[in-house]
This record gives sequence, structure tokens and C-alpha cells, in this order.
Amino acid sequence: DTGVSQDPRHKITKRGQNVTFRCDPISEHNRLYWYRQTLGQGPEFLTYFQNEAQLEKSRLLSDRFSAERPKGSFSTLEIQRTEQGDSAMYLCASSLSGRGTEAFFGQGTRLTVV
Amino acid sequence: AQKVTQAQTEISVVEKEDVTLDCVYETRDTTYYLFWYKQPPSGELVFLIRRNSFDEQNEISGRYSWNFQKSTSSFNFTITASQVVDSAVYFCAPGGRAGNNRKLIWGLGTSLAVNP
Repeated sequence: DTGVSQDPRHKITKRGQNVTFRCDPISEHNRLYWYRQTLGQGPEFLTYFQNEAQLEKSRLLSDRFSAERPKGSFSTLEIQRTEQGDSAMYLCASSLSGRGTEAFFGQGTRLTVV
Repeated sequence: AQKVTQAQTEISVVEKEDVTLDCVYETRDTTYYLFWYKQPPSGELVFLIRRNSFDEQNEISGRYSWNFQKSTSSFNFTITASQVVDSAVYFCAPGGRAGNNRKLIWGLGTSLAVNP
């Protein structure tokens, strides 16, 4: 296992279109996180799964955003009716459960909404 | 409010110089974890070090060392004998008592450029 992988790496879409991103975590990690990062900023937490259960969603995650982790392995993040403000890097991370465990991040999916 | 301040926006050094990245944080928790992550141009955040708030022993790991002072809420990170590959944005990220990554507070980062 070579780490967290995200697909696609880059996505350009027209405003109003739907997009879906995929994240494959490190196989033995039961926690999976989605973050969003804009230029010059740190990551912002979006949502978090423990196995297949989505345990927390940030207020940043509007109704247009949905995330799933159906079998407790890979996860998808869908954005419906994209807006220009959705343009950002979307980062996925995974970790083991337990206090203070570090997260391992993927290389991200850069979304550009035109 | 919980927040982290990395006062140095950009640092530029020459290879082999030592460089210290400053981090000051505010948290409501009495016990918590602190992390440093590195983000090279490729975009992938890489875990560097972790410290829990109830152990103030400072450590060295290879070229990395850190100075945690709970009394001043500071968690500074030092790279000794910097190398060009150290060029990246560095984030200090304090977390809540549970140490869960969803509770990490991310600042704006410090962009480090190591020049040959």
C-alpha cells in the first residue's frame, strides 16, 4: 500500500455541473477525512468517517456537498451544481483510530469551476 | 476562540542554515495534541512531528527538533542544516483533547524557501 490516493488530480468543470472525487485511504485505516484548501490558507475540515459511518460534517458542507464511504474503504465526495466559490484543492486523509494519531494525506484533487 | 498563529509568512534561508518556525496557539482544552505538517509543492501534506500537551520534554529527531512551552502556548519547530528539499509550506496544527484530526486547527502556514 503506497498511501492515500485521490482521483482525479485535477478537474475543470463548468458552473452548474456536478463533480465527484474519489479517495482510497491506507487499507488498515478506519478513519477518513475530507478537507478543503484554498490558496494561501490551511486546510478546512469538511467531514469525517469512522469505517462507513459519517460521524461529523462541518457547517462548510452545504446541501450541495455529499460524501459517502459505503463499505468503509474508499470514499467519494460529490459536489452538485458547482459554483465558482467551490474552486479549491480537496484533500483526503486517513488515520488509525486512537488519540493523537497522525493523518496521512493524499495529493488532493484540484477543482476549478469556470 | 481556538486559533493558531504562525507569524512568519515567508522565510528564505541558504542551504545548511538552521531555521526555526514559530507557532503560538490558543485552545480551550487543558490537554491536547500538537502537530507539525509539511506541504511541498506537490501538494501532499506530510506529517512531521506530534507532541501531547502533558509532556513538555523537547526532542530531536534527525534534523528536526521542537520546543514546546505550555506556559506560553508555543510550539516552535527547528530544522538543522536545512536542505533545498525542505522547501515547503509548514503548518502547525494544534488539536483537541481527543487528538482527533477533525478537530485540528490549521493556520496559514509558513512558506520556507531553502536556496542552494
